[in-house]
Amino acid sequence: QKEVEQNSGPLSVPEGAIASLNCTYSDRGSQSFFWYRQYSGKSPELIMSIYSNGDKEDGRFTAQLNKASQYVSLLIRDSQPSDSATYLCAVNMRNTDKLIFGTGTRLQVFP
Amino acid sequence: EAQVTQNPRYLITVTGKKLTVTCSQNMNHEYMSWYRQDPGLGLRQIYYSMNVEVTDKGDVPEGYKVSRKEKRNFPLILESPSPNQTSLYFCASSAIGTDTQYFGPGTRLTVL
Repeated sequence: QKEVEQNSGPLSVPEGAIASLNCTYSDRGSQSFFWYRQYSGKSPELIMSIYSNGDKEDGRFTAQLNKASQYVSLLIRDSQPSDSATYLCAVNMRNTDKLIFGTGTRLQVFP
Repeated sequence: EAQVTQNPRYLITVTGKKLTVTCSQNMNHEYMSWYRQDPGLGLRQIYYSMNVEVTDKGDVPEGYKVSRKEKRNFPLILESPSPNQTSLYFCASSAIGTDTQYFGPGTRLTVL
């Protein structure tokens, strides 16, 4: 089992819809969870971090964490074509300084 | 402007020819890291450094070396590159205790 798993996609949603991206992780003791956005040919950029169970909202983005089920998700409301990118889930493993990335989900928002 | 720079951005080389990819940050960050990104495998950490003279292996350190003699610089050294090291490499930095890792623009390396 991979340490951090994501569906590679592509996930296609129409403009204005909610895009839902999911990530599961294997280390039950993980404490920190991140979502990065990566445009084609560019470097990743952090868009959300979450540490406790529940929801965290920032503008059109909501991160959701469920430690019991070991999943973290990202919701993008009112999706725009400019949101089309690959979204990387990353997890800080317990007692380490290492950040483990999933392989990413490619999101396509069509007009 | 706060940034992480990498050089070169593109490099084509041959098997066995030693090379160094430089990484420099101007944000006085303690933490620096190198990743490689390959299709279907995502970003994998090669080495990281918590501060000057403190380095540790990531998930895929074989075939790579690093050094951290100055806080701002964290070069990645390939002593004898092989074709399986053809990849996109990213350097990143962050301040200890903060969330945000700042990534450099990437170095696309091809080893023939």
